[in-house]
Amino acid sequence: AQTVTQSQPEMSVQEAETVTLSCTYDTSESDYYLFWYKQPPSRQMILVIRQEAYKQQNATENRFSVNFQKAAKSFSLKISDSQLGDAAMYFCAYRGGSEKLVFGKGTKLTVNP
Amino acid sequence: GAVVSQHPSRVICKSGTSVKIECRSLDFQATTMFWYRQFPKQSLMLMATSNEGSKATYEQGVEKDKFLINHASLTLSTLTVTSAHPEDSSFYICSARDWGQTYEQYFGPGTRLTVT
Repeated sequence: AQTVTQSQPEMSVQEAETVTLSCTYDTSESDYYLFWYKQPPSRQMILVIRQEAYKQQNATENRFSVNFQKAAKSFSLKISDSQLGDAAMYFCAYRGGSEKLVFGKGTKLTVNP
Repeated sequence: GAVVSQHPSRVICKSGTSVKIECRSLDFQATTMFWYRQFPKQSLMLMATSNEGSKATYEQGVEKDKFLINHASLTLSTLTVTSAHPEDSSFYICSARDWGQTYEQYFGPGTRLTVT
């Protein structure tokens, strides 16, 4: 079974600074997708960024980018120019052939003004 | 973007009663919907996968007779918590996969269930 590990229960960053959230996963599949979701206090899950495993190029969405290391099974999220609105729980997720999303335990990000 | 709604957003029920939660895809057809449960300060745990017109597939450890799932149309799935007990109190989230998309699940805003 696939597993997703987020080793940082909590992280903090100063406003306008950069922070990186870590995620590793375990799978025997070769074709899969990886995601980062944001869950603010409203509890609404928001897709931040996704990465297809077959793509070597790291995905980027404005201030959010990933460092996808397929051989190492690592998928970290970098948030640049952090804003107060970035404060939330961040979940790394894996989706393989079963279409089910497997989530990590999450990282709580605090942004300090 | 695609929108998924859930109703109700909050519900309080007495122990022993049943409660139904609806999940609707508002602007797309969802052949597959997923139901998750989230305890405070924890991650989302998949409970079941709901396919339109067929029986739901439950994850290991999830009681099928307690958590009844019906996916009667391409835009609606329901989760009924039967004979609810206080330990069923949780945050329930649904997601829907767009028939036309290969990778994206759209999440509903969740339902807070409190069983007294």
